[in-house]
Amino acid sequence: EVQLLESGGGLVQPGGSLRLSCAASGFTFSNYAMSWVRQAPGKGLEWVCSVIASGSNTYYADSVKGRFTISRDNSKNTLYLQMNSVRVDDTAVYYCAKGTGAVTTLLGYWGQGTLVTVSS
Amino acid sequence: EIVLAQSPGTLSLSPGERATLSCRASQSVSSSYLAWYQQKPGQAPRLLIYGVSSRATGIPDRFSGSGSGTDFTLTISRLEPEDFAVYYCQQYGSSRGFGPGTKVDMK
Repeated sequence: EVQLLESGGGLVQPGGSLRLSCAASGFTFSNYAMSWVRQAPGKGLEWVCSVIASGSNTYYADSVKGRFTISRDNSKNTLYLQMNSVRVDDTAVYYCAKGTGAVTTLLGYWGQGTLVTVSS
Repeated sequence: EIVLAQSPGTLSLSPGERATLSCRASQSVSSSYLAWYQQKPGQAPRLLIYGVSSRATGIPDRFSGSGSGTDFTLTISRLEPEDFAVYYCQQYGSSRGFGPGTKVDMK
């Protein structure tokens, strides 16, 4: 059974940093692209970033480019999101999601999300 | 970058009725890389449809997708109580992003 367990969310001040993790199990992690998608309170889904299976290529939404970094450790079956220079409008539930293939952002499985609150 | 628009914003229907949801892209969607997701309150989204019209594993056949180019439709043939939710379209090709969503609520 595919499981994706996000952690690392919490309260952070504007301008601060936070690192989210997503522990994956139930599938061969190194064979699949992974993504982060966020949802601000009461709002819709926003794609944030993706990394292909090998980790060699990454893609970012304009809203986070230069501030967020997606990475993965295939030996630990773990996906990361390093969030720097966070802003109030980064407040959201952050979902980790598994692609259906090595390079796709078609998202077949999702974690339950971790809440990030940016506030002073 | 391809921008997706969804209509209507909210659809108020009764169980047993047919639901027709629209997703329109600002440019042609390459290789039919158009998907639909369902999200219920407090839950993560779930993949329903990919490649415009292919149902994901375990999705009942009352859900169907159609369209091409810039205009796409998700149809729920007969609404079941568990189908009342928010539905998002997504482009997963060279551009990546979601539409703003359509809420299907009970009349």
